[in-house]
Amino acid sequence: DAGITQSPRHKVTETGTPVTLRCHQTENHRYMYWYRQDPGHGLRLIHYSYGVKDTDKGEVSDGYSVSRSKTEDFLLTLESATSSQTSVYFCAISELRVPEQYFGPGTRLTVT
Amino acid sequence: ILNVEQSPQSLHVQEGDSTNFTCSFPSSNFYALHWYRWETAKSPEALFVMTLNGDEKKKGRISATLNTKEGYSYLYIKGSQPEDSATYLCAPQTGGYQKVTFGTGTKLQVIP
Repeated sequence: DAGITQSPRHKVTETGTPVTLRCHQTENHRYMYWYRQDPGHGLRLIHYSYGVKDTDKGEVSDGYSVSRSKTEDFLLTLESATSSQTSVYFCAISELRVPEQYFGPGTRLTVT
Repeated sequence: ILNVEQSPQSLHVQEGDSTNFTCSFPSSNFYALHWYRWETAKSPEALFVMTLNGDEKKKGRISATLNTKEGYSYLYIKGSQPEDSATYLCAPQTGGYQKVTFGTGTKLQVIP
């Protein structure tokens, strides 16, 4: 199994608070992704990274920011959490020579 | 946002039946087509990545075909088993950085 961990695995937070989710990989893969999973929508891309300090927006990036200061870590920040951001968040990694994406275990976030 | 359609949305089959699902996607700017298997309470796992028109891939009882000119892929499961119960996602890749767009999936339930 690809070495990907996500922390925290579960979090409950209040509306308006900032939240940071962490994705950590031990595979030295270049590409990293953040998705959210919602009923009826499947997996939607929030942000992705194609290298250290190289990131770009996905299809549902409003209200989220990311940072990647090291190859192994990709952070997702909800600047001011809203109830619509209650979801399960998945991190994934891939590499040019290994194009399929490997997913972390997910983080369940509830915004009350 | 890429329009990716999967059909049917859900499917119930008896153990031992063979089944197939369809993934439709825009044929323009095509780079690759990914298939993933997603069991309940787990993370998505890669099945296949196909790039060439006419590609066929096989893993055990599961196989897939690809038609890039008309923009569709079929996933076949021969002799379905209860452990095949999962949601099957397709995800076309149309550009750089290995970004993909996931369909909403076909949920398969195999009845013993």
